[in-house]
Amino acid sequence: ETGVTQSPTHLIKTRGQQVTLRCSSQSGHNTVSWYQQALGQGPQFIFQYYREEENGRGNFPPRFSGLQFPNYSSELNVNALELDDSALYLCASSALASSTDTQYFGPGTRLTVL
Amino acid sequence: GEDVEQSLFLSVREGDSSVINCTYTDSSSTYLYWYKQEPGAGLQLLTYIFSNMDMKQDQRLTVLLNKKDKHLSLRIADTQTGDSAIYFCAESANYGGSQGNLIFGKGTKLSVKP
Repeated sequence: ETGVTQSPTHLIKTRGQQVTLRCSSQSGHNTVSWYQQALGQGPQFIFQYYREEENGRGNFPPRFSGLQFPNYSSELNVNALELDDSALYLCASSALASSTDTQYFGPGTRLTVL
Repeated sequence: GEDVEQSLFLSVREGDSSVINCTYTDSSSTYLYWYKQEPGAGLQLLTYIFSNMDMKQDQRLTVLLNKKDKHLSLRIADTQTGDSAIYFCAESANYGGSQGNLIFGKGTKLSVKP
C-alpha cells in the first residue's frame, strides 16, 4: 500500500508569483485535505476535495485554489504569493469525507516566498 | 469557535513517563487524535480515541479522555530519545462545509534527555 506523497519537497518563489503543489493520495482514498503549517504553529485547514469537488474550505482567500483528478490526486495552487505564504503545506488523504475517518498525512512541501 | 490548546514544551529524562495535555472546545468532535512530527517531516498518526471512550491503550501509549472537562492527554511510558518530537492534539470538526477536517493545537515539543 502506497502512502501519501507530495511534490516538490522544497520550493522557493518570489512575491507575486504563482505556485502549484501536488499530492498523491493513499491507495483507496478518495478524499484529500490541504493544510498550511506556518513555523511554530499547528496545521490550519485550507480546503478539502471529495470526488473531484471542493467539499469545504477554511479561512483562506480565493487565491488559494485546488483541483482533484479522477485518480484522486490533487493540486494546490496559490496565486499572487505573499511573504506570509511561506509555510509547510501538508496534504492528507482519507477514505471518506467524514468526521469518523482518519486522515493520513504526506511529508509536506516547504514553500519559501522571498 | 473551535480551539485546541496545548502546553508548548515538556522535558523528561529517558525512561520516565511523559504526559502531554490538551484541551479542546468542540463538544461535538467525534474523534480526537494525537500526531507526531519530527523535524522537517510531515505528521505521523500516533493514535486516536472515539469520543465515547474514556481510555485507549496502544503499547507504550495511553490516551485519556475527560469529555466533561474537554481534556485529552497522551501518556508515553518508558520515554526514549527517539520520542523527541512535536506532538499535536487534533479534534475532528465539520466547518467550512467539509466533513472531517481537523483542528490542531500548536503542538507540544517533547525533549528527552539521556
